[in-house]
Amino acid sequence: EAQVTQNPRYLITVTGKKLTVTCSQNMNHEYMSWYRQDPGLGLRQIYYSMNVEVTDKGDVPEGYKVSRKEKRNFPLILESPSPNQTSLYFCASSFVQGGGYTFGSGTRLTVV
Amino acid sequence: ILNVEQSPQSLHVQEGDSTNFTCSFPSSNFYALHWYRWETAKSPEALFVMTLNGDEKKKGRISATLNTKEGYSYLYIKGSQPEDSATYLCASSEGTYKYIFGTGTRLKVLA
Repeated sequence: EAQVTQNPRYLITVTGKKLTVTCSQNMNHEYMSWYRQDPGLGLRQIYYSMNVEVTDKGDVPEGYKVSRKEKRNFPLILESPSPNQTSLYFCASSFVQGGGYTFGSGTRLTVV
Repeated sequence: ILNVEQSPQSLHVQEGDSTNFTCSFPSSNFYALHWYRWETAKSPEALFVMTLNGDEKKKGRISATLNTKEGYSYLYIKGSQPEDSATYLCASSEGTYKYIFGTGTRLKVLA
């Protein structure tokens, strides 16, 4: 089944404790992206990747890192999480620039 | 930053009614517009991708139109059913890899 797999689905952590949210797609998509969803705001792009080893900042990159060492994986790294990073996170991929996204199931992160 | 606006924010319709929502975006440097359907506790699901002025797309009872010159897109649902209840998102791009999402229209179809 074609899908984007995110893990974990839920995570509660403490301020400053490094964490990684994994994202993997099995559709051979070149383009992958991370978004966060906060109440009253649209999905906001954190980082995106056009292909292996090619990444760029979205609109809200502060406090996040990403890597794209393999085409299928695009992990999101929070080196020192803070409470303002409490949010619902989505990973998404598409086959070509401008193609419709396939979204992962989301990760609800709480930083206390 | 590209600003994408959706209206209305929410609406309730009766089963069988037809309805439509609007997505507005800056028309300069337009590249593509997406519509997504997002059910509670699930992930957004792609409905349409449109790139050309005058584009019309249809999927069952749902259709969409695109006007890139004036910067808007309409999503129509004909004969709404309770299972159409969801948040409908649009996203627009200025020709880069950055897509900007609107805040969505939350639709509730009453049986």
